[in-house]
Amino acid sequence: NAGVTQTPKFQVLKTGQSMTLQCAQDMNHEYMSWYRQDPGMGLRLIHYSVGAGITDQGEVPNGYNVSRSTTEDFPLRLLSAAPSQTSVYFCASLTGAGGNTIYFGEGSWLTVV
Amino acid sequence: EDQVTQSPEALRLQEGESSSLNCSYTVSGLRGLFWYRQDPGKGPEFLFTLYSAGEEKEKERLKATLTKKESFLHITAPKPEDSATYLCAVRGGAQKLVFGQGTRLTINP
Repeated sequence: NAGVTQTPKFQVLKTGQSMTLQCAQDMNHEYMSWYRQDPGMGLRLIHYSVGAGITDQGEVPNGYNVSRSTTEDFPLRLLSAAPSQTSVYFCASLTGAGGNTIYFGEGSWLTVV
Repeated sequence: EDQVTQSPEALRLQEGESSSLNCSYTVSGLRGLFWYRQDPGKGPEFLFTLYSAGEEKEKERLKATLTKKESFLHITAPKPEDSATYLCAVRGGAQKLVFGQGTRLTINP
């Protein structure tokens, strides 16, 4: 049982490049989400999904796309990277309405130069 | 709109000095309030989940309580290893998880 697997752990991008952060969970969780965390701040919700084929925007969705074609995978795409997207990104998953524990990936440190 | 506000932003205590962290929330149909701790450079670590007003949970020197508008994380006789950022999150009727900005706790020996 691997839990939540998030890749890559570190990435440096040039402004304007695109990339995808991968997130996979093997716990059959309906809910998955992406957060960004900037220095000294909490986790801000980018996008979330309550099941395969369903996604919705969080607090800071601009510049990011997501899709949920399977229950297991929830990739986050940066369309045209900007320095303002330099941050630490966390993927999280949770079981259905009664879920009592949020499972986090290990984080992805992204630098846009 | 679901919202979470944590206070204070930062707190410094002496070892053994008890205190409380606050998490105020507005949510439509609470489905869970979560407390996590986070050490620098690491992911959040699970502490507690509370579901209804009046509920309390304890773990070592930590105790979490919940009312209809806020949650408190009480820290009794803290030690330096309790230094961390403490995060609060709520899950509402739309099922999305929303976090507060966190409280940075420093315990001086």
